[in-house]
Amino acid sequence: DIVMTQSPESLAMSLGERATINCTSSQTVLYSSNNKNYLAWYQQKPGQPPKLLIYWASTRESGVPDRFSGSGSETDFTLSISSLQAEDVAVYYCQQYYSSPLSFGGGTRVEIK
Amino acid sequence: EVQLVESGGGLVRPGGSLRLSCTASGFTFRSYNMNWVRQALGKGLEWVSSISSDRSYIFYADSVKGRFTISRDDTKNSVYLQMNSLRAEDTAVYYCARDKAPGNNRDAFDIWGQGTVVTVSS
Repeated sequence: DIVMTQSPESLAMSLGERATINCTSSQTVLYSSNNKNYLAWYQQKPGQPPKLLIYWASTRESGVPDRFSGSGSETDFTLSISSLQAEDVAVYYCQQYYSSPLSFGGGTRVEIK
Repeated sequence: EVQLVESGGGLVRPGGSLRLSCTASGFTFRSYNMNWVRQALGKGLEWVSSISSDRSYIFYADSVKGRFTISRDDTKNSVYLQMNSLRAEDTAVYYCARDKAPGNNRDAFDIWGQGTVVTVSS
């Protein structure tokens, strides 16, 4: 089973600052036949379902602001928010969809300092 | 509008059963893999089960294997989760979610329902 580990558990940044969230998988999620990383990032605000932000590790979902970006490959991934806005306060999760059982990271809570 | 609506949650005693439903609208349901994800209060997301568009694969988390059954009825644009032998630790919000791309290949979850609450308590 692939275990997803996120860090930090929480972070507080000032408005306009860059926020970086890390996600590590216990095994590679890079599928060699298509050279795609089966890694997604979600944002969840209180009382709402998760929202897809990034898929294939670095492809931004339609409608997601370009201040959100994803990077990384194989086992190490990063979600960056280039200039933190008040509406970005949420919990962020990474997820691997490379193999069953699918798995999520534990989440990172982002707050405004 | 592309939408998923869950129903069927409620309060059930330990050992009891419940059947969750998720009804889709606004897209060609039969073409998409579907999933269930749950979230206990104040906790993170836990994948529960997936069913492919053609039912060629069905997967379960170890925590529910042998107790939960996922199924789909493409004529009703619905996916179901039959939950038996329920335990207190199954208490959670249960979300239905769609794979992003049509077809059988694995993908991220781009459409989520609002969730239905399942409480297992005596």
